[in-house]
Amino acid sequence: SYELTQPPSVSVSPGQTARITCSGDALPKKYAHWYQQKSGQAPVLVIYEDNKRPSGIPERFSGSSSGTMATLTISGAQVEDEADYYCFSTDRSANHRLFGGGTKLTVL
Amino acid sequence: QVQLVESGGGVVQPGRSLRLSCTASGFTFSTYGMHWVRQAPGKGLEWVAVIWYDGFNKYYTDSVKGRVTISRDNSKNTLYLQMNSLRVEDTAVYYCARESGGGSSFIDYWGQGTLVTVSS
Repeated sequence: SYELTQPPSVSVSPGQTARITCSGDALPKKYAHWYQQKSGQAPVLVIYEDNKRPSGIPERFSGSSSGTMATLTISGAQVEDEADYYCFSTDRSANHRLFGGGTKLTVL
Repeated sequence: QVQLVESGGGVVQPGRSLRLSCTASGFTFSTYGMHWVRQAPGKGLEWVAVIWYDGFNKYYTDSVKGRVTISRDNSKNTLYLQMNSLRVEDTAVYYCARESGGGSSFIDYWGQGTLVTVSS
C-alpha cells in the first residue's frame, strides 16, 4: 500500500532553520499539505498545495516539492513551533488520503 | 465561523458497535466533502474515510473497510461514522474534518475530536 515517509524527529536551536521532509512515490503528481499539531490540540493547516500558506500562518513557514519529496521549512524556528508535523496527500487514484507518520520538531 | 462538533464517543466492548456524529455550522455543509481522521493514544494521525458533498462517493482506509460506514444528512448538517465489530486497536480520538472546496483535497477545518475506547 502507498506510504508517505517522514523522519521521526528533527531538532534545531531557536532561530535556526528546520526542514521536515515527506517522501512518496505519487508526490510528483499529487500535492502535499502540512499540518501542525501541538499536544492535546487538533491539527492546524500550515501549508497546502505544496507551497501555499493559509492566512494567519507566519511567513517563516514555507513549503516546496521536488520529485518524490516534499519539504516543510521553518525559517528562524521559534520555541512555540515545537509540535508534531504531518504531511498529507492522496494516492494515485486521488480517492484515498493518507498522512505521513509525523515528525516531532524540538526547538531548544 | 466554521464549527465542527463531534459526539458519540465513549467506552465500548470489543465486537460492539458505536455511531459517531459531527454537527457542522458556519458554512454550507451540503457543498463540502467531509472526512473522519483518528489518532490512537500517543500515535500519529490516521485518515479513516471521506464522503463527497452529495454522499454519492465514499472511500475508506483498508484497516476499517467492511466494518465502518461514513454517511451524512445534509438536511441536518450532520456527518456520521458507524463503527461495527470494534477492536481494541480502534481506540483513538476521532476527528471530523472538512475538505476544502474548489477541487483541492486538503482538510481546512477540524473538530476537537471525540474519544473512543474499546476495552473489555
